[in-house]
Amino acid sequence: DTGVSQDPRHKITKRGQNVTFRCDPISEHNRLYWYRQTLGQGPEFLTYFQNEAQLEKSRLLSDRFSAERPKGSFSTLEIQRTEQGDSAMYLCASSGGGTDLYEQYFGPGTRLTVT
Amino acid sequence: GQQLNQSPQSMFIQEGEDVSMNCTSSSIFNTWLWYKQDPGEGPVLLIALYKAGELTSNGRLTAQFGITRKDSFLNISASIPSDVGIYFCAGQWSGAGSYQLTFGKGTKLSVIP
Repeated sequence: DTGVSQDPRHKITKRGQNVTFRCDPISEHNRLYWYRQTLGQGPEFLTYFQNEAQLEKSRLLSDRFSAERPKGSFSTLEIQRTEQGDSAMYLCASSGGGTDLYEQYFGPGTRLTVT
Repeated sequence: GQQLNQSPQSMFIQEGEDVSMNCTSSSIFNTWLWYKQDPGEGPVLLIALYKAGELTSNGRLTAQFGITRKDSFLNISASIPSDVGIYFCAGQWSGAGSYQLTFGKGTKLSVIP
């Protein structure tokens, strides 16, 4: 069990550019979540996958955001035409399907700065 | 989005003291989770609670699921310098098939050696 990993850890981009983040969940965890965290706030839910199916999306996930989990393993989060308000920490979490169904384990996050 | 009310927002304590913090919600939850986050890192799960009234310990940490299902409490006994960080509560209501967590704004803990 190597934990949830995220890549890159930091990303600086210019406004209007597209960015893509990757998340690798704990192996055999079939549930994967994306959250966004801004300074001084707790994480806010963006979207949730069970295997490859995207089952839940927050209103925070605007049309410029898209998430995929094509083979039910790793996931990507893409932000198109980035805006300064997109600057935040993007966190990925995963959970299993057994007794730890509701226990979400987080990765280290990707810090996005839009200039 | 909705956030929980977490208090206090910050606290400074002497090493060796006990710490208490709490979290309240206007909605009921059927799971409460407590996390600790260090600067620049993701939250680390400390304790998970599943039943109203449940009291669960993890080392020096003890958490309780409130009877009303609208609150939860975290206590840290005999604090040490490595307890420094931001503690978040998170609630989950899976009644409608949702697994999203709703987080508080955190309690920032500083420990004075």
